[in-house]
Amino acid sequence: SQQGEEDPQALSIQEGENATMNCSYKTSINNLQWYRQNSGRGLVHLILIRSNEREKHSGRLRVTLDTSKKSSSLLITASRAADTASYFCATDVRGGGSARQLTFGSGTQLTVLP
Amino acid sequence: GAGVSQTPSNKVTEKGKYVELRCDPISGHTALYWYRQSLGQGPEFLIYFQGTGAADDSGLPNDRFFAVRPEGSVSTLKIQRTERGDSAVYLCASSLIGLAGTSPTQETQYFGPGTRLLVL
Repeated sequence: SQQGEEDPQALSIQEGENATMNCSYKTSINNLQWYRQNSGRGLVHLILIRSNEREKHSGRLRVTLDTSKKSSSLLITASRAADTASYFCATDVRGGGSARQLTFGSGTQLTVLP
Repeated sequence: GAGVSQTPSNKVTEKGKYVELRCDPISGHTALYWYRQSLGQGPEFLIYFQGTGAADDSGLPNDRFFAVRPEGSVSTLKIQRTERGDSAVYLCASSLIGLAGTSPTQETQYFGPGTRLLVL
């Protein structure tokens, strides 16, 4: 099963509103990353949060990480129509030799209505 | 500089044929990764190279799949005797280094646009 699972699967909001997406995972991690994907093609890296960090900001993005609950959230403030995309969390798992693979969830499809 | 590039962007082939998918990582990135993404799903890890060697190929689904990176830069993913179930978007990513616990800039994986493979 997927290490990271996003919630909700789909989210539709009005332009200007905030969007919150959640991610849960199962095992200990080195870091957790959020990506955006438009039209099923290349993923754009948004933000990386390390396992010893609790919160990071980047522009209109705010990511939190709770390792005790094995969960993360991505908040997009003042959303724009251009934010419409699929958002994925990906975990970089701790330990295990050369374990550098990212494990992705199934994503949240965000639609921002103008 | 330029990002990760992948060729071709689309590939249509017939069941049983052999295909090669190419990835050009960001210049100077020592780590390279291949993922596969089916419709409506997140990417799934296939293989990871550190330099020229495959450091982790645990995600390759079977022995029809093989990947090389002979000079530590460009990589080719090779699929023999393609099956309809191989249809997916194949994504390549690279990172500056492949070691965890360094810095976010060095660990971040940057993805290419993908190759959409359709096996008829």
